Amino acid sequence: DVKVTQSSRYLVKRTGEKVFLECVQDMDHENMFWYRQDPGLGLRLIYFSYDVKMKEKGDIPEGYSVSREKKERFSLILESASTNQTSMYLCASSTSGSGEETQYFGPGTRLLVL
Amino acid sequence: GENVEQHPSTLSVQEGDSAVIKCTYSDSASNYFPWYKQELGKRPQLIIDIRSNVGEKKDQRIAVTLNKTAKHFSLHITETQPEDSAVYFCAASPFSGYSTLTFGKGTMLLVSP
Repeated sequence: DVKVTQSSRYLVKRTGEKVFLECVQDMDHENMFWYRQDPGLGLRLIYFSYDVKMKEKGDIPEGYSVSREKKERFSLILESASTNQTSMYLCASSTSGSGEETQYFGPGTRLLVL
Repeated sequence: GENVEQHPSTLSVQEGDSAVIKCTYSDSASNYFPWYKQELGKRPQLIIDIRSNVGEKKDQRIAVTLNKTAKHFSLHITETQPEDSAVYFCAASPFSGYSTLTFGKGTMLLVSP
């Protein structure tokens, strides 16, 4: 059974703080993804990684960076949090292959930036 | 890049009715179309998917149809039950060499007893 976990369910930060969100998967998946979910906007891809130390920008990378030092762990970093980054952040993972692989999601981190 | 439009944004039905959610996509090279269900407070989970070489796929009360010429695909839920109430997301996998998905904005389905 695939398990994707995220470091926090809820997080409150101040504007300008550096924020780390961590995701861990236990299924040896090559691909990992970070999305943000906002009402009426669906799931938007921020960054993804297809291998250790590899990263690719998604649709909305501005204001974010990522780190993947180990295969099971993918971190999302907000260098200087702003109020417009208040959102639900979802991590996902999948195996690599033809592009038809199921993505398994974590429970999400609800971030509030004051 | 790929753009996925999803309609309607909300859908209310009575228990036992059918529900249909429609999506269109822009990238004709997209070849994989999954549907995810997200119950309130929970994570999205895959419920059904369809590949570009198939026109229809069924799994008990849910079915998905694909029209590649028109670039649209639909989710059909028959005999709806209150536990079908959730947000449903369609997605398309653009042919990018990576296993990414572009999601629609979601449909909130409410099934009333």
